[in-house]
Amino acid sequence: EDKVVQSPLSLVVHEGDTVTLNCSYEVTNFRSLLWYKQEKKAPTFLFMLTSSGIEKKSGRLSSILDKKELFSILNITATQTGDSAIYLCAVPPAGGTSYGKLTFGQGTILTVHP
Amino acid sequence: NAGVTQTPKFQVLKTGQSMTLQCAQDMNHNSMYWYRQDPGMGLRLIYYSASEGTTDKGEVPNGYNVSRLNKREFSLRLESAAPSQTSVYFCASSEFGGGARNEQFFGPGTRLTVL
Repeated sequence: EDKVVQSPLSLVVHEGDTVTLNCSYEVTNFRSLLWYKQEKKAPTFLFMLTSSGIEKKSGRLSSILDKKELFSILNITATQTGDSAIYLCAVPPAGGTSYGKLTFGQGTILTVHP
Repeated sequence: NAGVTQTPKFQVLKTGQSMTLQCAQDMNHNSMYWYRQDPGMGLRLIYYSASEGTTDKGEVPNGYNVSRLNKREFSLRLESAAPSQTSVYFCASSEFGGGARNEQFFGPGTRLTVL
């Protein structure tokens, strides 16, 4: 059974701080790892990391995948109050008939104070 | 494009009542999903539909049924609601269910309370 564990479960910082969110996974036949940001409502897609692309960057957010150690980190630099959200990571199954059964971690609740 | 839409946004039920949550997507996606989200539990898959005409159980299917009415619509039914089903329910869709690329687009959610 695939397993995704995120840490920390919650984090409180002040604007301007840099944060690192962790996601470790156990899956058979790794395919990809996805990061989502969830503000008040629906999760929205941030990054997908695959075997052929182990680092992604978008503005102040960046993510790295370590396939050997089976984890990914999401970095946010110069945090802003708008970064306050739940950050979720997820992995899809190995394939076959499992289709899109993403396994999500518990999420990290990030709170950024002014 | 409206993306993924869900109705209702909020619902309060009494134990034993039934209801159907509706979901529709206008992105011509093949695969659709129902999740529930509880504090500290992340998102857990209830049911999914890899393509029109097919449905399959996810991680927590007990107490729920689904119908993939057509390519656009995927409904979730609670036949006899229980307090343990108090949760926020999200519908999602993706172009394809398989493969390494599996970006899912989520609806705004339905907050359900069962008394």
